[in-house]
Amino acid sequence: AQSVAQPEDQVNVAEGNPLTVKCTYSVSGNPYLFWYVQYPNRGLQFLLKYITGDNLVKGSYGFEAEFNKSQTSFHLKKPSALVSDSALYFCAVRDLMDSNYQLIWGAGTKLIIKP
Amino acid sequence: EPEVTQTPSHQVTQMGQEVILRCVPISNHLYFYWYRQILGQKVEFLVSFYNNEISEKSEIFDDQFSVERPDGSNFTLKIRSTKLEDSAMYFCASSGPAGLGGNEQYFGPGTRLTVT
Repeated sequence: AQSVAQPEDQVNVAEGNPLTVKCTYSVSGNPYLFWYVQYPNRGLQFLLKYITGDNLVKGSYGFEAEFNKSQTSFHLKKPSALVSDSALYFCAVRDLMDSNYQLIWGAGTKLIIKP
Repeated sequence: EPEVTQTPSHQVTQMGQEVILRCVPISNHLYFYWYRQILGQKVEFLVSFYNNEISEKSEIFDDQFSVERPDGSNFTLKIRSTKLEDSAMYFCASSGPAGLGGNEQYFGPGTRLTVT
């Protein structure tokens, strides 16, 4: 069965420090992987995706993520955190073998950046 | 930049009443979705829609739910007889050309449904 795990409910980082939000996945075939961000009282905004190719993908607002097939992980990273990065972050996966386009979502990680 | 829009932003209804949540997907998108998020919980897939029919639905999407694309622009979610546990934020999403499962989904701002 397809699944996504975000092992940390909350991540606290000081402004200016690097941040990592973890995500691991389980699919039958090859994964399409996505990160979305949700600001308070807002919808979900697409950040970045991995489909194929370079394992390091770059996205919006200076975020990047690294696909690691052996560890089935897709951790979100940013070299220098901003207070405005504080939000809820969701990892999602779609199985390439799946004929529909349903996204399977992680439970979300609350990122708090302290000044 | 094109965006998905949803109306209303907040809907309050009494248990047992019917509600219709409306969405206008991005105009050249072909796949449409509804998700819900109960406060503080994870996002849950409800249904996907392509070529004027449901392509996939979850266990949550029972006979009380239906979707429709009544014209070329709107995509609606109807709940026939609302229950207290239907209270949630409902998100509409759309994605691009057919056959490209790697296309990201673009989400609307959501409709907060409160069932009393």
